[in-house]
Amino acid sequence: DSGVTQTPKHLITATGQRVTLRCSPRSGDLSVYWYQQSLDQGLQFLIQYYNGEERAKGNILERFSAQQFPDLHSELNLSSLELGDSALYFCASSVIQGRLHEQYFGPGTRLTVT
Amino acid sequence: AQKITQTQPGMFVQEKEAVTLDCTYDTSDPSYGLFWYKQPSSGEMIFLIYQGSYDQQNATEGRYSLNFQKARKSANLVISASQLGDSAMYFCAMRELIRTGANSKLTFGKGITLSVRP
Repeated sequence: DSGVTQTPKHLITATGQRVTLRCSPRSGDLSVYWYQQSLDQGLQFLIQYYNGEERAKGNILERFSAQQFPDLHSELNLSSLELGDSALYFCASSVIQGRLHEQYFGPGTRLTVT
Repeated sequence: AQKITQTQPGMFVQEKEAVTLDCTYDTSDPSYGLFWYKQPSSGEMIFLIYQGSYDQQNATEGRYSLNFQKARKSANLVISASQLGDSAMYFCAMRELIRTGANSKLTFGKGITLSVRP
C-alpha cells in the first residue's frame, strides 16, 4: 500500500458526460501529479500541483482540469468525454518538489467511456 | 527533452534465475534521477528502485539492482532469483533535478512485460 488513495476505482460513463476523479496524497506529501495510461499513448504526465498551486502541465486536454484543495487532496475533472479518454488515471505524490524523490502512485481509476 | 527507451519484447525467465531489463535514456541535463516501477496485472504502479545521476555506486534494493552506465546512458534493472510474483510490466522512468517551482514530472518508457516460468 503506497499510502495514496484514489476514488473511484472504476468508472463507466457515456460520451459527452463529465466525471471527477479524486486523490488523497500520502500524509505529508505536498506534491500531487496526475498521469494517464492508455494502450496507444502509454503513461503520460497530465498536471502537477504543489501545496495548492498548479506547477506544471503536460499533455492535458483543455476539456480536463484539476485542482488541489487546502487539505491537499486533488481532483481531476474530465468533461465532454470521448471514447478516447478511456484509460487508467493515476495520481502520484511526493514529499518535496525540488528534489529527486520517488513518486508514490495510487491504485488508479479505470475510466471507461461508452 | 527527456526520452526513455525500452525496446525489449516480452521477456521470459525461469524461476530462481536472474533477468536483466534494458533501459536507455536521453537528456541534456546533468542532474537527473532514474526510476523503475513494476505494474502487475492488478494495475497499481509499485516503486522499485532509484538511481541518481551523481551516485557513485549502483543502487540496490533487495533482489533489485540497477546497472547504471552513465556514459552509455543506460539504466538496466537486474532482478535476481526471479519469483513467480515478479511477472508484471516494468517501466523505466526519468526525472530531472529541478529548481524549486519547476517541473519534476516522470517521463516513462513504454514498458517491458516479464513472465516468470515455474
